Amino acid sequence: DVKVTQSSRYLVKRTGEKVFLECVQDMDHENMFWYRQDPGLGLRLIYFSYDVKMKEKGDIPEGYSVSREKKERFSLILESASTNQTSMYLCASRRDYGYTFGSGTRLTVV
Amino acid sequence: SQELEQSPQSLIVQEGKNLTINCTSSKTLYGLYWYKQKYGEGLIFLMMLQKGGEEKSHEKITAKLDEKKQQSSLHITASQPSHAGIYLCGAPGNNDMRFGAGTRLTVKP
Repeated sequence: DVKVTQSSRYLVKRTGEKVFLECVQDMDHENMFWYRQDPGLGLRLIYFSYDVKMKEKGDIPEGYSVSREKKERFSLILESASTNQTSMYLCASRRDYGYTFGSGTRLTVV
Repeated sequence: SQELEQSPQSLIVQEGKNLTINCTSSKTLYGLYWYKQKYGEGLIFLMMLQKGGEEKSHEKITAKLDEKKQQSSLHITASQPSHAGIYLCGAPGNNDMRFGAGTRLTVKP
């Protein structure tokens, strides 16, 4: 089975900190995605990548950046964390139409 | 862009009761995925539907895609506490998957 691993389940950071959320997949998938999930809003796409060093903005990229230096790793970066970035962050990888999700990182910015 | 509307937003049922969750798309669906999410965790794939009129079942969960391919339903028979969680429908777009806002299911023992 494909495994998508997010490095932290829970994270608490201070406003203004630079935050790194890491995601690793083990099945050589080209496509990887970062979503955030908020009550009543569902999942919203932040960024996605379809190849190493390639990235595309999703629906809500403001305040975020990403890095894909290796195929298996897709990192989400909060340049200067703010309280409105408190959320559940979900990473996914895809082959054809099959998406596999990580367990999520619940980030709280105080 | 394609939008998916799920109903109801939340549902509380007594253990043993049947229930249905609906997912309606603003555009024709070329694939419809159902996921389940336990509170505070990632999404677990349940089923994928592609053809109009298609129906799939897994244990006590049945999903259908209507003939016009704009609506899907997820039906749970004889619900159990283990069915509790958030159910999300998703539809693949050009680059990513679009999701409904989710239906939160609570099953009372």
